[in-house]
Amino acid sequence: EAGVAQSPRYKIIEKRQSVAFWCNPISGHATLYWYQQILGQGPKLLIQFQNNGVVDDSQLPKDRFSAERLKGVDSTLKIQPAKLEDSAVYLCASSFTGSSGANVLTFGAGSRLTVL
Amino acid sequence: AQRVTQPEKLLSVFKGAPVELKCNYSYSGSPELFWYVQYSRQRLQLLLRHISRESIKGFTADLNKGETSFHLKKPFAQEEDSAMYYCAVGSGNTGKLIFGQGTTLQVKP
Repeated sequence: EAGVAQSPRYKIIEKRQSVAFWCNPISGHATLYWYQQILGQGPKLLIQFQNNGVVDDSQLPKDRFSAERLKGVDSTLKIQPAKLEDSAVYLCASSFTGSSGANVLTFGAGSRLTVL
Repeated sequence: AQRVTQPEKLLSVFKGAPVELKCNYSYSGSPELFWYVQYSRQRLQLLLRHISRESIKGFTADLNKGETSFHLKKPFAQEEDSAMYYCAVGSGNTGKLIFGQGTTLQVKP
């Protein structure tokens, strides 16, 4: 099966600029996640979607971050305006909904953001 | 607070030596524990989960609820085991995982 696709792989911007990341999950995976991984740390959940609805966005900095999954498939994560501390790898993951697979996440390659 | 602690940032062993990567967790409710691995230039991927009770690539992990630990073990390390290992905890069918900070395993020839 095709994996989780993410783009762009790398992005360098200046602070206060905006950036958007795109994710296409595995076909049939209803749940989609965006994680932020700062260098030297483990991934931290930003937002979780179930189909096109938000399940958990408690750790999303909503003053600058936004995410959508309008048709329940692809998702976009936007940062506007970016801060230096947003430099990180943004990981998209998806999972199958069901008792046996809900916590088994398949990750994309990530989008590495550098804010100067 | 829900938290996963991996006390070692780096674990360096020689090929053939036993390996134990430590993981302790703090979680309310019924936790499900995982180990994810990231090899060089590859994606983060699931290594094993405690409910499966299986051995993957020679690795095993036992959930100790009394000590709230889920240490990853392998009796004889191989060079290809060199990677970053993350312990993670989740609950039921929520899909939400909390990750530790990761341990780099370096297996020397």
